[in-house]
Amino acid sequence: EVQLVESGGGLVEPGGSLRLSCTASGFTFNIYTLNWVRQAPGKGLEWVASISYTYYADSVKGRFTISRDNAKNSLHLQMNGLRAEDTGVYYCARGQKLGSDDYYMDVWGNGITVTVSS
Amino acid sequence: QSALTQPASVSGSPGQSITISCTGTSSDIGTYNSVSWYQQHPGKAPKLMIYDVINRPSGVSTRFSGSKSGNTASLTISGLQAEDEADYYCSSFTSISPLYVFGTGTKVTVL
Repeated sequence: EVQLVESGGGLVEPGGSLRLSCTASGFTFNIYTLNWVRQAPGKGLEWVASISYTYYADSVKGRFTISRDNAKNSLHLQMNGLRAEDTGVYYCARGQKLGSDDYYMDVWGNGITVTVSS
Repeated sequence: QSALTQPASVSGSPGQSITISCTGTSSDIGTYNSVSWYQQHPGKAPKLMIYDVINRPSGVSTRFSGSKSGNTASLTISGLQAEDEADYYCSSFTSISPLYVFGTGTKVTVL
């Protein structure tokens, strides 16, 4: 079964750091682009970052770092300088195969909650 | 990069057809055929329903169809069913701010 499972969420104070992880199974991890998408409470979806090459939304650029470990089928998001507006559910999502011109996310994890509050 | 514009809500009776619009610009929908649609039930992860404007992933009902004209993409749900009640989001590749932009989201209510 193709699956993505996020971990590492929790409560952190403003200005703090958190590292999210996403473990993949059921597919050849290293041939796909991977993404982080977040959703603030009661709000819509917001794309955060992608990795084949690395790309970031303006709202997180310079604070968040996306990385992957193909040997461990894992994706990470290092979040520094966290703000209240970073609060929400963070989803790991599989994107297109490397080298493809397609841009969509066909497999999603269940999400992990990040709360930034004092 | 501003979010793509969707109506906040759309409703219909069982068996009817509804259409959700998604309006962007020439930097996204107007130029690229990388439009996708996602269904999200409360408390659940999004699910891909349509990709590359018109394509359905395996397992998605044929009642869901997509189209595009100019800067506007559309998702049509025919033969509306109670299980279709959910939030729907469009998304597109964008050349302005890499890589994706999502729509504002539409709540579909089955009357």
